[in-house]
Amino acid sequence: KNQVEQSPQSLIILEGKNCTLQCNYTVSPFSNLRWYKQDTGRGPVSLTIMTFSENTKSNGRYTATLDADTKQSSLHITASQLSDSASYICVVSAKQTGANNLFFGTGTRLTVIP
Amino acid sequence: DARVTQTPRHKVTEMGQEVTMRCQPILGHNTVFWYRQTMMQGLELLAYFRNRAPLDDSGMPKDRFSAEMPDATLATLKIQPSEPRDSAVYFCASGPFERGGSYNEQFFGPGTRLTVL
Repeated sequence: KNQVEQSPQSLIILEGKNCTLQCNYTVSPFSNLRWYKQDTGRGPVSLTIMTFSENTKSNGRYTATLDADTKQSSLHITASQLSDSASYICVVSAKQTGANNLFFGTGTRLTVIP
Repeated sequence: DARVTQTPRHKVTEMGQEVTMRCQPILGHNTVFWYRQTMMQGLELLAYFRNRAPLDDSGMPKDRFSAEMPDATLATLKIQPSEPRDSAVYFCASGPFERGGSYNEQFFGPGTRLTVL
């Protein structure tokens, strides 16, 4: 069964600290993996997308890694800021056409406190 | 600055009433998605369209939900009759179709927060 699991469910960190969010998936055959940031009251916004051959991708202070062998991805946030407080959602796409091929994690709720 | 727009942003209604949510996708995008988000379930795909044709609506309760694209600039999601369990945030997203069937490039609207009393 195709599934995406994220951990932790929620996280509180001090401003300026680093943190790492995890995403494990069982989606097969794998096409790509995207991390979204969702601010409260808004729609998700894409942060990074990685295909099978990519191990790491950065977007400013956000760095995503992918291990396609173990089917794990992580999102590392460096020097956190108050504006990083949001939910982070992992979405895995399967290689299949003509059908629903997107599988969503339930997200990690990050709170950055001063 | 192209973006997906949704109306209304908030809707409070009573059980049994009809609810219609509207979405204007980004100009030039030919795939449109409807999602529902709750605290318990996270994001759930309800339906999606390509070139205005419905490709998959298996995530939608068929007896009360319907989704349409009357034209390329408007997508609608209707609930009739509404029930308290329909209370959620409904997101519309649009994206360009990629050859090979990957629909992962999506741009989300701000959502419609629906409360059914």
